[in-house]
Amino acid sequence: KQEVTQIPAALSVPEGENLVLNCSFTDSAIYNLQWFRQDPGKGLTSLLLIQSSQREQTSGRLNASLDKSSGRSTLYIAASQPGDSATYLCAVSRIQGAQKLVFGQGTRLTINP
Amino acid sequence: SQTIHQWPATLVQPVGSPLSLECTVEGTSNPNLYWYRQAAGRGLQLLFYSVGIGQISSEVPQNLSASRPQDRQFILSSKKLLLSDSGFYLCAWSLAQRRNNEKLFFGSGTQLSVL
Repeated sequence: KQEVTQIPAALSVPEGENLVLNCSFTDSAIYNLQWFRQDPGKGLTSLLLIQSSQREQTSGRLNASLDKSSGRSTLYIAASQPGDSATYLCAVSRIQGAQKLVFGQGTRLTINP
Repeated sequence: SQTIHQWPATLVQPVGSPLSLECTVEGTSNPNLYWYRQAAGRGLQLLFYSVGIGQISSEVPQNLSASRPQDRQFILSSKKLLLSDSGFYLCAWSLAQRRNNEKLFFGSGTQLSVL
């Protein structure tokens, strides 16, 4: 059974810092890995999707890496801003069928002005 | 562009009452549709998914059911709610056509409190 773990559970940093969020998964047989952002009481917004054959994806100040063999992914946020404050969730897709994702419990990020 | 609508945003229901949550997608055809639940202190859990009209797969045994009466409509129901059904319910869609590397797009969620 696939399990996804995100560390740390919560992180608070001053504005402007670069930071890394971690995600690990127990079964390396995945189709892809996605990073999402969730604001309080809201739905999820897809940030980056890394296919199993890829090692990283970049969007603006965000960079996500994937090391499938070791079951790890990182989300790097450069020059953090208060608007980046949210919960960040990592999810991996299972082998067969529709996009059935297994989610981690998220990292609650707070950027202090 | 594609949009997903989910309602209501908030719902308070007594134990034993019925439930109907609705989700519709616009701007795409034959999407895969999903219902997730986010319970307090727990991660998102996939409840149901559908690859077409009338086709529903259940991921976990529970007090809930799902239906897809139209291509872009997905409904989550219960005949009698339990306290444990409380949570944040999210509908989502993705492109189909056997493509497994597409992003998942979520609705804004329904906060259900069963009292």
